[in-house]
Amino acid sequence: GAVVSQHPSWVICKSGTSVKIECRSLDFQATTMFWYRQFPKQSLMLMATSNEGSKATYEQGVEKDKFLINHASLTLSTLTVTSAHPEDSSFYICSAVLVSYEQYFGPGTRLTVT
Amino acid sequence: GQQLNQSPQSMFIQEGEDVSMNCTSSSIFNTWLWYKQDPGEGPVLLIALYKAGELTSNGRLTAQFGITRKDSFLNISASIPSDVGIYFCAGTSYTGANSKLTFGKGITLSVRP
Repeated sequence: GAVVSQHPSWVICKSGTSVKIECRSLDFQATTMFWYRQFPKQSLMLMATSNEGSKATYEQGVEKDKFLINHASLTLSTLTVTSAHPEDSSFYICSAVLVSYEQYFGPGTRLTVT
Repeated sequence: GQQLNQSPQSMFIQEGEDVSMNCTSSSIFNTWLWYKQDPGEGPVLLIALYKAGELTSNGRLTAQFGITRKDSFLNISASIPSDVGIYFCAGTSYTGANSKLTFGKGITLSVRP
C-alpha cells in the first residue's frame, strides 16, 4: 500500500517551453501532497504544499508563477514548470500524505532543460 | 529555521556489521521519520516514530525517538549490500496533521562485501 507514481520519470525539453509533471497516489486518497526539488548529493528542498481544492502554498523563494501547481483531485497533483530554463534542470519529487505526518514519495522526475 | 543534523556525511562498513546513525535537533520534534533513498529514486519510508522513548523495529532496522525529543537514531543490524543508499531523518514539530517535514542532509552508507 501507499504507492505514489510520477509521470514522466524523465523529460528533456527546450529552453522556453513548459513541462507538466504528474503525481498520483495509486491506492489511497491524499488531501495533501508536497513537491520537492533535489540537487545532486543534497537533501530534499520543499517547493510547495498542494492541497486538494485550494491554492498551493509556496515556500519562500519559489516563484509561484513559474512552478504552477494544481491539485484537482484526491489522487492527482500536477506541477508545471513554465518557460523552463537550464537552471530549472533538477530532480523533482512529489509526496502524498497517507496518515498524520507520514509522507510517501513518488519515484521522482528528472528534468533536463537544454 | 529548524534544522536536523546528521553526521558523518558518509559511512563505510563491512557486510554483516551493524551500523547506527543518529539525527539531532536544537528544537523539540513531535514526530521522527527515517527514509532511505536509492540513486535516481524517491525516498522510501522506513520507520515512523510518534512518542518520546518509542523504539520501533522494521526487520533489521530499529529506530528510537529520543526522550528529550531532540534526537532519534536508526540502527541497521547485519548489513547487506542492498542497504547501500542515502538515509535521511525527517521530523515535524507542528501539532497539526499533514505537516511539513524538516529533513536532515542525509548519510550515504556504503557496504563492502
